[in-house]
Amino acid sequence: EPEVTQTPSHQVTQMGQEVILRCVPISNHLYFYWYRQILGQKVEFLVSFYNNEISEKSEIFDDQFSVERPDGSNFTLKIRSTKLEDSAMYFCASRGTGTLLHFGNGTRLTVT
Amino acid sequence: KNEVEQSPQNLTAQEGEFITINCSYSVGISALHWLQQHPGGGIVSLFMLSSGKKKHGRLIATINIQEKHSSLHITASHPRDSAVYICAVEKTSYDKVIFGPGTSLSVIP
Repeated sequence: EPEVTQTPSHQVTQMGQEVILRCVPISNHLYFYWYRQILGQKVEFLVSFYNNEISEKSEIFDDQFSVERPDGSNFTLKIRSTKLEDSAMYFCASRGTGTLLHFGNGTRLTVT
Repeated sequence: KNEVEQSPQNLTAQEGEFITINCSYSVGISALHWLQQHPGGGIVSLFMLSSGKKKHGRLIATINIQEKHSSLHITASHPRDSAVYICAVEKTSYDKVIFGPGTSLSVIP
């Protein structure tokens, strides 16, 4: 069964550095999402992406964050100038029209 | 006020018990999702509902659009059902799926 894949599974970075989290959604899906989950807290919506552009973003998704679909298959989340409070699990998800959400296994980001 | 609420927050059950988890929401939605997250694990979609009821194995999900309420039922619960169950809604006219706070279920043998 096709699945959403995320890389890396764990990323450690120093405060102030830039990180890129990568996701390969299911190939015929049209809607893509990034979520984050700070340890012990609920999953929070960051951004949705449709038709090669951002369709919705939350108040968390400020100028520090950006998303791209650089080559038609990968879907990336870039976090510039990371802060300690960016440490979290980041989940990518995709879906087709009227279908279940499919999630990747997540990338655990640790900012030191 | 959160747009999606769940109850109870935590639930402990004996193996074999019938379990109900509730979700209520305050916004217009086009669909509602029930998700499962095992400790330290990823997120798995269980159901997507826009009306009525769906069943998959021992899991049943219902939704009442007029009352803005959904329930997830687990029959003959088993320790492997122990997980966090999350209700998430697709807001009407928004390409945004908002998660509820989750219900942590522990099923004891």
